[in-house]
Amino acid sequence: DAGVTQSPTHLIKTRGQQVTLRCSPKSGHDTVSWYQQALGQGPQFIFQYYEEEERQRGNFPDRFSGHQFPNYSSELNVNALLLGDSALYLCASSFAGLSGYTFGSGTRLTVV
Amino acid sequence: AQTVTQSQPEMSVQEAETVTLSCTYDTSESDYYLFWYKQPPSRQMILVIRQEAYKQQNATENRFSVNFQKAAKSFSLKISDSQLGDAAMYFCAYKWNYGQNFVFGPGTRLSVLP
Repeated sequence: DAGVTQSPTHLIKTRGQQVTLRCSPKSGHDTVSWYQQALGQGPQFIFQYYEEEERQRGNFPDRFSGHQFPNYSSELNVNALLLGDSALYLCASSFAGLSGYTFGSGTRLTVV
Repeated sequence: AQTVTQSQPEMSVQEAETVTLSCTYDTSESDYYLFWYKQPPSRQMILVIRQEAYKQQNATENRFSVNFQKAAKSFSLKISDSQLGDAAMYFCAYKWNYGQNFVFGPGTRLSVLP
């Protein structure tokens, strides 16, 4: 039974570029949440997708957007990258947003 | 807004000894969960233990137990018989029953000395 899969594991982008990160939820899960974890800090909630809609959003600018597909996988898009966007981006899945969240191993994004 | 505080950036413990990690939180809600997550170098957040706020009994999972003091808004984690594999970042987290997101603390880095 596959857990949460995130791709890529690492990537490097230049300021001003756009990036897309991908997440496949655990089998049986239909809800995907995204978190940003800056170096030395705890994860910060970006948003959650359920039934292909953004259900809740944290305090992040509109440069951060997402999408959920019919197979429940999700993408996180960040436009106009800033140096401060460098972080580990974690995806977590669950069933209907209930307890029992499973986290992926994250994508390490470096903006230079 | 809810906040979670972990006042110990780093802790160390001798193998086979006991260590306690501290966490305090602030909320005006009454229905919530509290969690301790472990993040090893593999980066994946792994659930260590969970506590429902309405339960007075402290949660335990094998060598891991919590001291939940609801009135004081305190939620500490005790690790007994520490093992080398326990070395990791530990995050305390809060989740309101009717919300969708975790609120994480800044973490405590635990080292286990042989």
